[in-house]
Amino acid sequence: ETGVTQTPRHLVMGMTNKKSLKCEQHLGHNAMYWYKQSAKKPLELMFVYNFKEQTENNSVPSRFSPECPNSSHLFLHLHTLQPEDSALYLCASSQGLADPNEQFFGPGTRLTVL
Amino acid sequence: LAKTTQPISMDSYEGQEVNITCSHNNIATNDYITWYQQFPSQGPRFIIQGYKTKVTNEVASLFIPADRKSSTLSLPRVSLSDTAVYYCLVGDPRMDSSYKLIFGSGTRLLVRP
Repeated sequence: ETGVTQTPRHLVMGMTNKKSLKCEQHLGHNAMYWYKQSAKKPLELMFVYNFKEQTENNSVPSRFSPECPNSSHLFLHLHTLQPEDSALYLCASSQGLADPNEQFFGPGTRLTVL
Repeated sequence: LAKTTQPISMDSYEGQEVNITCSHNNIATNDYITWYQQFPSQGPRFIIQGYKTKVTNEVASLFIPADRKSSTLSLPRVSLSDTAVYYCLVGDPRMDSSYKLIFGSGTRLLVRP
């Protein structure tokens, strides 16, 4: 138990669906992150929020839309995804963006796009 | 350019000590070395971080030689539950971009009974 929860744990959706992934951290952290982990590929950083403000968008397609209403919650809204978007989506949080940068990861949402 | 190089996989047996070495020939003066562990279908978990010499915590030890071009994660007396992928990362925690953790392919450790 890392203090970072993600729902749902598994999601299957069609290419025309709209769904959202939710992340919540109970650690009092100020920074939150979305990562994508595809099969046999390294983790890829997608978005970073610090004090609810987006500080990083790592060239992510617009079909992925993040939302951070407060420092404890982070959402990833999905629409018109492609089969190649199937992956494990991981949320993480850290005290801040500075040293020491120990990030706490949630269990992830396994997404399958049909 | 990859910042770190690790073996793709390692096998061990329960009760043995496992040492995973990571090469980081281009490590910068202010870079720290950090190791994460990832179980299947879970997010990575921070294990240990160090700058030089030796760091030890309740989970592992990290050995860093004087030239800092490599580091070794040491897991004492592994158990089956240590089967996971281990990632070595280097970066300067004082830089504004330090949160951009760059994960390589990691080392897949298999612990056998």
